[in-house]
Amino acid sequence: NAGVTQTPKFRVLKTGQSMTLLCAQDMNHEYMYWYRQDPGMGLRLIHYSVGEGTTAKGEVPDGYNVSRLKKQNFLLGLESAAPSQTSVYFCASSSLKTSGYEETQYFGPGTRLLVL
Amino acid sequence: GQSLEQPSEVTAVEGAIVQINCTYQTSGFYGLSWYQQHDGGAPTFLSYNALDGLEETGRFSSFLSRSDSYGYLLLQELQMKDSASYFCAVTRAMNTGFQKLVFGTGTRLLVSP
Repeated sequence: NAGVTQTPKFRVLKTGQSMTLLCAQDMNHEYMYWYRQDPGMGLRLIHYSVGEGTTAKGEVPDGYNVSRLKKQNFLLGLESAAPSQTSVYFCASSSLKTSGYEETQYFGPGTRLLVL
Repeated sequence: GQSLEQPSEVTAVEGAIVQINCTYQTSGFYGLSWYQQHDGGAPTFLSYNALDGLEETGRFSSFLSRSDSYGYLLLQELQMKDSASYFCAVTRAMNTGFQKLVFGTGTRLLVSP
């Protein structure tokens, strides 16, 4: 199993350009997440999905959109990139434990995005 | 509101024991997790405490006191490969029923020979 994979690994954008980050998981997890990580700020949740066809906003959703058309894929879109979106983006997935709440999130290797 | 506090950096020598503390303030608390992240790598799950007490997994142990809103990660027999950032994270219930992870800002552990 590959676990959680992310494409691309690194990208440079100019202000105003758009791009889509792809996340795929092969663990049949229901939940998927997009985080951004900035120096000294830990991981912040951008958007998440609790199942195919459903998405919801996290803590810092502005400037991003997401889609979950297939259970194994979660896409993060930047319609008009800004320098403030320079960050490392991590995708994660988790299953719903039988006890009713998730405990473990599995993270992808990250995408490093530089917006000039 | 919600907040998590953990030290920004801890240093130790090989073979030693180190404790990384985490205090939190949040509503809808379900549990406390710990994640390890090496430079340039992805966060990886270490442990989860939903109940008070100590959970042991090999050289790593994690403790939770719900009444004190406090937890810690204990690393024993430190090895050079333990040099990494360690994040505590609370599992918090949203009013939608969804439980989300809220991460602290991380503690950078430097292990020296």
